[in-house]
Amino acid sequence: GAVVSQHPSWVICKSGTSVKIECRSLDFQATTMFWYRQFPKQSLMLMATSNEGSKATYEQGVEKDKFLINHASLTLSTLTVTSAHPEDSSFYICSARAGGDYEQYFGPGTRLTVT
Amino acid sequence: QKEVEQNSGPLSVPEGAIASLNCTYSDRGSQSFFWYRQYSGKSPELIMFIYSNGDKEDGRFTAQLNKASQYVSLLIRDSQPSDSATYLCAVNIGGGGNKLTFGTGTQLKVEL
Repeated sequence: GAVVSQHPSWVICKSGTSVKIECRSLDFQATTMFWYRQFPKQSLMLMATSNEGSKATYEQGVEKDKFLINHASLTLSTLTVTSAHPEDSSFYICSARAGGDYEQYFGPGTRLTVT
Repeated sequence: QKEVEQNSGPLSVPEGAIASLNCTYSDRGSQSFFWYRQYSGKSPELIMFIYSNGDKEDGRFTAQLNKASQYVSLLIRDSQPSDSATYLCAVNIGGGGNKLTFGTGTQLKVEL
């Protein structure tokens, strides 16, 4: 149980374009999903927290107009990187939490490369 | 002071030995504590979590929590080469959203 998928697993895009990443909880309902970014040899940095049906809460320093998050259902959240630039190249990982549980289950991640 | 601190390592142990990974946290109000394992290029996978003081065992893994001293540790018995990975300590600092704050991770190398 507690399986989270992400799509795509990797993507290469040109500077200035937008990229959408999907995160799905496959066998449970995720009341809360989290989006992280991880640069090489660094730890996970939380970007935002999204609750189903409400606006995402962004961490300090994360541009909400650049990283659009939609949590339309209890099993799906999407992250759209708008007008991507090379410095946005990173490993983006989502996680999901069910109800009152504290533990988060991670998706396999999406490696974004902006050329 | 970082909220969650780990020694970056690498920590090298011989196969079959006990690996001991440590983590300290700054917020005394922290509620829950997690250990994740992350292989290079992969996302973290949950190993175990602990909420109460003392030890919690799951197979070859034992998590130890000491809230008074604000540290949590992970022991891996009978270490295997497949245990070689980065181990991330995560703490639910509290407040809104039940967010996890991650340490920078300790790299473990289990040598043959």
